[in-house]
Amino acid sequence: DAKTTQPPSMDCAEGRAANLPCNHSTISGNEYVYWYRQIHSQGPQYIIHGLKNNETNEMASLIITEDRKSSTLILPHATLRDTAVYYCIVSIKAAGNKLTFGGGTRVLVKP
Amino acid sequence: NAGVTQTPKFQVLKTGQSMTLQCAQDMNHNSMYWYRQDPGMGLRLIYYSASEGTTDKGEVPNGYNVSRLNKREFSLRLESAAPSQTSVYFCASSAEWHQPQHFGDGTRLSIL
Repeated sequence: DAKTTQPPSMDCAEGRAANLPCNHSTISGNEYVYWYRQIHSQGPQYIIHGLKNNETNEMASLIITEDRKSSTLILPHATLRDTAVYYCIVSIKAAGNKLTFGGGTRVLVKP
Repeated sequence: NAGVTQTPKFQVLKTGQSMTLQCAQDMNHNSMYWYRQDPGMGLRLIYYSASEGTTDKGEVPNGYNVSRLNKREFSLRLESAAPSQTSVYFCASSAEWHQPQHFGDGTRLSIL
């Protein structure tokens, strides 16, 4: 599995966009990029995933560079409830869809 | 919608005791997973079941066994609990291999 690198923490102002970077320079052609978040000690929550194209849903947007070596998760209007640890994961294309969670980015949304 | 239900939510065991953690999903998903999360760490995969009738080891399978009882249920068993297994255990399921995983609320397990 490709390894991901994320900043350990970042702050964001409430109402502003939060841009979370992720490096995955060894990603292979059949690996997806997934983003999950974990609020307090709850179970992780799926946010978004993509292969090559940029993706958007009701929660966030995912921007993947053309060479696929990095991506950015964008929370368009951060709220206090978005304070969480955000995990960027690349997943092998095999039965079981095994996810490898790294350290993630601890995002603190401030009023 | 219940989603993924884990029982119990909390448990304290003594070293050497055995225990089974239960997980059930009501989303008709094919794949199910067990993770553990130690304090301040990311989740690590223990075992997974790609489909009913199959199970495979993940990153940290030692000391654990699993059973995919049916499509809905996937249990995790500790045969002889050790303090190093103190952790929060999460169960997850996904419709197909590349689909997003849905997680339960976790079982907080302490082994003394």
